[in-house]
Amino acid sequence: AQSVAQPEDQVNVAEGNPLTVKCTYSVSGNPYLFWYVQYPNRGLQFLLKYITGDNLVKGSYGFEAEFNKSQTSFHLKKPSALVSDSALYFCAVREGGYNKLIFGAGTRLAVHP
Amino acid sequence: DGGITQSPKYLFRKEGQNVTLSCEQNLNHDAMYWYRQDPGQGLRLIYYSQIVNDFQKGDIAEGYSVSREKKESFPLTVTSAQKNPTAFYLCASRGTGGSMGTGELFFGEGSRLTVL
Repeated sequence: AQSVAQPEDQVNVAEGNPLTVKCTYSVSGNPYLFWYVQYPNRGLQFLLKYITGDNLVKGSYGFEAEFNKSQTSFHLKKPSALVSDSALYFCAVREGGYNKLIFGAGTRLAVHP
Repeated sequence: DGGITQSPKYLFRKEGQNVTLSCEQNLNHDAMYWYRQDPGQGLRLIYYSQIVNDFQKGDIAEGYSVSREKKESFPLTVTSAQKNPTAFYLCASRGTGGSMGTGELFFGEGSRLTVL
């Protein structure tokens, strides 16, 4: 079965510093990978996805993610963090032909001024 | 603007009562989903529907029921059989075919259910 793991419950970073939120996956076949962001008491917002092609995927709000097949990872990155980036981030993988998404447990990002 | 509307935003229920959460979308999407979110557990799939008049159980369907009589609507009923219904419920939809077929979901703003 497909699965994703987000090994960090929380990531702390100072404003202006680069940030990384980690995600590893386990799939049979080619992975379809996604990142979403959630602000308090809100729905999830799509950030970016990897389907095929370039390993570096660019998304919304200056975020990008690097697909690494050998390490089965899909880490989310941003060169310079903003306080407004503080939120809950979810990595997800598509499962099977029904296009269900399997979500990780989430990583809370805290950006300090 | 196109999107997904969930209502109510907040709902309180007494034990033993059934409640229905509404989800409406005007994105012309075929597939719709219900997820449950609990702190520290991410999102877990309750039910999903790929087409009108058809739906499948997800990973935690016990104590829940759904219907899909219209393409735009996918209501979720939380029944009294659900042992721990207090949670944040998220509805999502996905287009099928072409560039919409790659699995990206669009989410509503969620409904928070509290059982008193």
